[in-house]
Amino acid sequence: EIVLTQSPATLSLSPGERATLSCRASQSVSSFLAWYQQKPGQAPRLLIYDASNRATGIPARFSGSGSGTDFTLTISSLEPEDFAVYYCQQRFIWPPLSFGGGTKVEMK
Amino acid sequence: EAQLVESGGGLVQPGGSLRLSCAASGFTFSDYIMSWVRQAPGKGLEWVSGSSGSGGNTYYADSVKGRFTISRDYSKNTLFLQMNSLRAEDTAVYYCAKGGTVTKLTLDLWGRGTLVTVSS
Repeated sequence: EIVLTQSPATLSLSPGERATLSCRASQSVSSFLAWYQQKPGQAPRLLIYDASNRATGIPARFSGSGSGTDFTLTISSLEPEDFAVYYCQQRFIWPPLSFGGGTKVEMK
Repeated sequence: EAQLVESGGGLVQPGGSLRLSCAASGFTFSDYIMSWVRQAPGKGLEWVSGSSGSGGNTYYADSVKGRFTISRDYSKNTLFLQMNSLRAEDTAVYYCAKGGTVTKLTLDLWGRGTLVTVSS
């Protein structure tokens, strides 16, 4: 089973700042990595698929990069609605589909 | 508009059973891999089970293998999760999720979830 480790667990930033979130896989997942956003009381929403492709309707301030074992989600300038928990997920080897433990982006 | 709506959650005693449903609309149900993903209170996401578009292939997390069964009713465009021998650690919000068109195991549509509480 592929284990995904996200860091940091919590990121405290202000609106307008840049957010950089990391996801590391226990073995290569090629580029088969997705990122999701989850707000309190809501279902997760797909942001990025296959490491760097924005899903439909996702603003350009969200970008993804990486391949192999190291991946990054960048939010170029935080908007108030971006404060949420972010999860990475791999689909390279399944079952199981695996998720990272999440990074909470909170307002400073 | 594509939509997933879960139902069937509730309070059940340890050792009991529950069947969750997920009504799909706005897309061709048989064309997509469907999954169940759960989230324990205050915790992260855990994939539970998946079903191929035809329903002929089903997959399970080790934590639920032998206790949970995923199935589909194509006449009603509904996905099910039959949960038996429930344990306290199965307490979670259960989400139904649809796989992508090209990236079939990327979850591009989620329902709002249904809460399952296992407690005496």
